[in-house]
Amino acid sequence: EILLTQSPATLFVSPGERATLSCRANQTVYSDLAWYQQKPGQPPRLLIYDGSTRAAGFPARFSGRGFGTEFTLTITNLQSEDCAVYYCQQFSQWPPGSFGLGTRVEIK
Amino acid sequence: QVHLQESGPGLVKPSQTLSLTCSVSGASIKTSEFFWSWVRQSGRDLEWIGYIFYTGITYYNPSLRGRISVSIDTSKNQFSLQLRSVTAADTAVYYCARDSRRGWVDSWGQGSLVTVSS
Repeated sequence: EILLTQSPATLFVSPGERATLSCRANQTVYSDLAWYQQKPGQPPRLLIYDGSTRAAGFPARFSGRGFGTEFTLTITNLQSEDCAVYYCQQFSQWPPGSFGLGTRVEIK
Repeated sequence: QVHLQESGPGLVKPSQTLSLTCSVSGASIKTSEFFWSWVRQSGRDLEWIGYIFYTGITYYNPSLRGRISVSIDTSKNQFSLQLRSVTAADTAVYYCARDSRRGWVDSWGQGSLVTVSS
């Protein structure tokens, strides 16, 4: 079973600064990783797939990178509307895929 | 743009069966491009439940196998979830979703909170 560990659990970032979120897998998932953004009361929304491909509707200040067991989601020039919980999901061993427990991004 | 909407009881008694239906609009579920999935969330814990293809082929999470069944009605553009013998641990927000067939979910319903309680 592939387990995903996200860190930190909560990240406080000043407006306009950079947020760096980590997702680590306990075994390789190659580039079979997605990121989702979830705001309160809403379903998750696909943000990144295949490790680094941005989904429609998200600006270029969201970027994903990584391969194997280490992945990063970076949000540059953080805006207030970026406050959300961000989840990673692996689909290397799918079905079923597995999700991390998320990183909450808050404004400092 | 595809829209998914869950419907069903919000309260289920322990040992009974949880039943939810997902109505899809804006796209036909009779397509080879996507799977139609159920995902549940309890707090920050997201768990993929299972999927169905328009042909009726299903795959279920092994952790739930034996209690779960997913069906599809292409004439109504709907698919459904049944989870049997529920316990309090099955209390969650249940999402229906469209799966890319690669494993990521590109569209989600708004979610349906189901509480298991007597």
